[in-house]
Order: sequence, then structure tokens, then C-alpha cells
Amino acid sequence: ILNVEQSPQSLHVQEGDSTNFTCSFPSSNFYALHWYRWETAKSPEALFVMTLNGDEKKKGRISATLNTKEGYSYLYIKGSQPEDSATYLCAPSGAGTYKYIFGTGTRLKVLA
Amino acid sequence: DAGVTQSPTHLIKTRGQQVTLRCSPKSGHDTVSWYQQALGQGPQFIFQYYEEEERQRGNFPDRFSGHQFPNYSSELNVNALLLGDSALYLCASSSGTEETQYFGPGTRLLVL
Repeated sequence: ILNVEQSPQSLHVQEGDSTNFTCSFPSSNFYALHWYRWETAKSPEALFVMTLNGDEKKKGRISATLNTKEGYSYLYIKGSQPEDSATYLCAPSGAGTYKYIFGTGTRLKVLA
Repeated sequence: DAGVTQSPTHLIKTRGQQVTLRCSPKSGHDTVSWYQQALGQGPQFIFQYYEEEERQRGNFPDRFSGHQFPNYSSELNVNALLLGDSALYLCASSSGTEETQYFGPGTRLLVL
């Protein structure tokens, strides 16, 4: 796995809006896909790890889906709140390797 | 239960100097990975330590070296610092029983 792309790079939404981001990755040698939320001056926080094609995970208002055949994952936030403002990173990992390959992230700003 | 801790939080060095960064893993974790995040990029994998040995290495020169101690804590050493080594250095810990790497808050290194 070499190239991980996240889109959009940044976005601003109003409080209460729902939003989604995309993570694209090469589908060959895929093992797992990790999503992190990273608030300024804090540690990246693990949100989800997904391994199977069609996986869906949910944590409160945040959910994620995974398509390993076409190499993408979506992260959804329903009813965005100002505390959701952060950079959201995705990182696939490959079979037989211990490293995560991170995208550059999506910077979300939720306006009150 | 303390999460992953790193020290120092900030560091300023000059070109050619050497630096040591420290990481204490989350309780119960035996594996430590190090990542470098340069401005505008996602974190890039430097190496991973397990059982006091380097288990996997990313595309970083030999100036980057590490160590893991019997208590699982780890150090990252960078010799002959270059301006381009200025970055946020993240430590992540994990265990063999779960997929997720848990990150510390990072050490911000500035090389002048």
C-alpha cells in the first residue's frame, strides 16, 4: 500500500449539518483500515478499525464504511457539533506489515 | 490508566546535533512504533520495536535509530540533524491482541 488519498482536504460546516469524507487506497495487499480523529494539541484518537469488505462501524454520531474491492472508506458525521472539529486521518495497513500508511487528513471545522 | 506519554513536548536543536526522544507505552502494550509528521503531510512510519528489537523499518536513513527497554518504553535517536528533520514525532503503542495503535501527543522538534 503506497498511496492514500483523503478528500476533501478541509471543509467548514454549520452546526447540525451532516458531512462525510473519503479515504482512497490501493486495494492490493489490504489488511485493515484505521480511522483517527486528531484535535489540535492532543493525541490522535482511534475511532475505528475495519477489516472486512462491507464493514460498517458506528460510534455515537460517527460511522464508517469500507469497500476493500474498490479501495475506499467513507466516514460520516451526523448532526455535526463544534466539538467534532478536528483532523480526521485514515490509515490502511497491509498484510504482513506492521506500519500504517496515513493520508494527509481531512480538516473539519464546525461553526456554531 | 495513563495512555501513551512522550517527552519532551518541544525541542529546539541546531543542525548537526543529536536528539533523543522518549516514549512510554500504554499499560499492557509491548510494541512501540514511531512516526514523523512533517508539515502538511500525514504521519510517516519510521520503525517499530517489539521484544527490544526493531521489527520493521520505514524509508528513513540510518541517522534514525531506536531502542526499546525491558519495560517496553522506547527511545528515538536522530543523529546529524538536518533542517528537514523538523517535524512532529509521534509514538504509538499496541499489543499483539488488538489491531489498533494508540498514539501519544508527540514531540515537536525544530532544527535551526
